Amino acid sequence: DTEVTQTPKHLVMGMTNKKSLKCEQHMGHRAMYWYKQKAKKPPELMFVYSYEKLSINESVPSRFSPECPNSSLLNLHLHALQPEDSALYLCASSPGGYLNTGELFFGEGSRLTVL
Amino acid sequence: GDSVTQMEGPVTLSEEAFLTINCTYTATGYPSLFWYVQYPGEGLQLLLKATKADDKGSNKGFEATYRKETTSFHLEKGSVQVSDSAVYFCALIYMNRDDKIIFGKGTRLHILP
Repeated sequence: DTEVTQTPKHLVMGMTNKKSLKCEQHMGHRAMYWYKQKAKKPPELMFVYSYEKLSINESVPSRFSPECPNSSLLNLHLHALQPEDSALYLCASSPGGYLNTGELFFGEGSRLTVL
Repeated sequence: GDSVTQMEGPVTLSEEAFLTINCTYTATGYPSLFWYVQYPGEGLQLLLKATKADDKGSNKGFEATYRKETTSFHLEKGSVQVSDSAVYFCALIYMNRDDKIIFGKGTRLHILP
C-alpha cells in the first residue's frame, strides 16, 4: 500500500461550522504533514508531526487544529473558518522522521469551500 | 535566504515536442533538488531527484541534472505526450535538517494532440 488517503474529497462549510479532514497512510511513515494550496500556487506548509509529536506549526491560526491519534492517522479540525481559508488541503507523509529522505508522498487533497 | 525560481508558464507544446522547464536556485548550503508533478485534480508526486552536484535524476522519460556551477536543475523530456499535461514544481530540500521544503511557484504545461 503506497497511498495516502484523504477524506472527504470535497467539503463545503459555513463560517460557524466545525468539521474535520482526515488522512491515513499505511506505509509505516513516521512523519505526516498538512499543506494548504491555493489555486495556481505551490503548497504552503501548515503542520508537521514527526513520530506522532507536533514538530512544526507554521504560525497557523488556531481555527485550524491538528491531531495525530497514531502513526497512521492525521486529522485537521476546522472551526470558525473564513472564506479566505477556502483551498485544497493536502496531507503528505515521509519515511523516517521529518524530511529524512526528502521525498513526500501526497494524498489527492480535500477541497474546502467556506461560505 | 534560499529560494527556487522557475520559468513562468503556462508552457504549451505539441505532442512529441522537446520540453525544457527551467529551474534555478539560491542556496546557502548543499541541498538536494527535486521535481514534483501535480496532475489535474491530484496531489503532488515525486518525479525525480538529485542529491548532489552532477547527479542526474530520471523517471518516465524526464531528466534533470544538478548543476552547481550554474545553480540550475532544468527539467527535460525528449518527446512529450498529452498525458504529461500537469503542473511541475521544482523544490529544494536540506535532508536531515529542520528546514522546510522550498517549492518554486510551479510551471503549468499544456500538451496539444
